[in-house]
Amino acid sequence: EPEVTQTPSHQVTQMGQEVILRCVPISNHLYFYWYRQILGQKVEFLVSFYNNEISEKSEIFDDQFSVERPDGSNFTLKIRSTKLEDSAMYFCASQILADTIYFGEGSWLTVV
Amino acid sequence: AQKVTQAQTEISVVEKEDVTLDCVYETRDTTYYLFWYKQPPSGELVFLIRRNSFDEQNEISGRYSWNFQKSTSSFNFTITASQVVDSAVYFCALTTGNQFYFGTGTSLTVIP
Repeated sequence: EPEVTQTPSHQVTQMGQEVILRCVPISNHLYFYWYRQILGQKVEFLVSFYNNEISEKSEIFDDQFSVERPDGSNFTLKIRSTKLEDSAMYFCASQILADTIYFGEGSWLTVV
Repeated sequence: AQKVTQAQTEISVVEKEDVTLDCVYETRDTTYYLFWYKQPPSGELVFLIRRNSFDEQNEISGRYSWNFQKSTSSFNFTITASQVVDSAVYFCALTTGNQFYFGTGTSLTVIP
């Protein structure tokens, strides 16, 4: 069964460092997402991406965040200068039209 | 605005008991989808079920069943004869387009 894959599974970074989280969505999917879950809290929407551009973003997704799909397969989330409060599980997800959204296994980011 | 409420933060049951997880949603859209996801201790989000707003037929899948009632804006999830492996956080979610809105989750602990 096709799945969304994410790397790394866990990353520890120092505050102020740049982090890139990578995702390979399901191949025939058209919509791509990043969600965040701070430990013990609910899953929060960050950004949606369609047709090579951001279609929607939340208040969380400020100028420190960016996304791109450089080669048509990988979908990346970049945090330019990490803060302690960026520590969370980051989920990539993909979707085909108005259908079920499938999540990757997540990338734990710990900012120290 | 869309909103999903899961009033039960934590539930504990003894193995083989039945348990119902509540989900109440708010939306002004007439077309929407409702979902349940399971998040086991390992952290990934596992899709369980999708329901569209025009299909109020209840669904049963093995020990799982779902009760969708538009009149009360509820989409409740029942696990029959619970097992230890059912221990997880369960999220209800709503989408009217591209963005998913998650509830805060219900942490279910099944005691052997």
